[in-house]
Amino acid sequence: SQQGEEDPQALSIQEGENATMNCSYKTSINNLQWYRQNSGRGLVHLILIRSNEREKHSGRLRVTLDTSKKSSSLLITASRAADTASYFCATGNAGGTSYGKLTFGQGTILTVHP
Amino acid sequence: DGGITQSPKYLFRKEGQNVTLSCEQNLNHDAMYWYRQDPGQGLRLIYYSQIVNDFQKGDIAEGYSVSREKKESFPLTVTSAQKNPTAFYLCASSMYAASRDKSQPQHFGDGTRLSIL
Repeated sequence: SQQGEEDPQALSIQEGENATMNCSYKTSINNLQWYRQNSGRGLVHLILIRSNEREKHSGRLRVTLDTSKKSSSLLITASRAADTASYFCATGNAGGTSYGKLTFGQGTILTVHP
Repeated sequence: DGGITQSPKYLFRKEGQNVTLSCEQNLNHDAMYWYRQDPGQGLRLIYYSQIVNDFQKGDIAEGYSVSREKKESFPLTVTSAQKNPTAFYLCASSMYAASRDKSQPQHFGDGTRLSIL
């Protein structure tokens, strides 16, 4: 099964509300990254959090990481219609010979209604 | 402007035909990756390359081939052995992972959508 699994699969909110997406993973990680994908486009990197960090902020984004629970959450505050997209978590696995490989989850589809 | 260019945007494959998807980057990145995305799904790794003239199989390499003769270019060939090629193909690049357990943010192209005629 996928290393990263997002929850919920789909989220629909009104503009101005906060959106929270969760990601769970199975193996030890070196870092966890969040990406955004607009329909029919490539992914855009949002934020990277290392395994020794617990929380990170970037503008309206807040990411938390709980390595004991093997989970992460992405919070988008004061959402806008332009935030409508799919959001993916990706894990960089610790050890082995991963050489920079990332394992992506199946994503959360976020719809923000004006 | 630095970035990754994938071409063509749309591609159609006939039965028994090999097709090649282009990926070029001018970010001076050492590492490049090919992913396949099926509708409503996440990304699955096909092949990746950390340096020129070297590449490794990802999770779903069967029916695909790659080459890495130049740092800037990482073309993907979808061979006739790939029986279900219809998908959205994404190319990405990143700075070199300094050690085997490090991973860097990846920069993506805008994809090639491949369909069967």
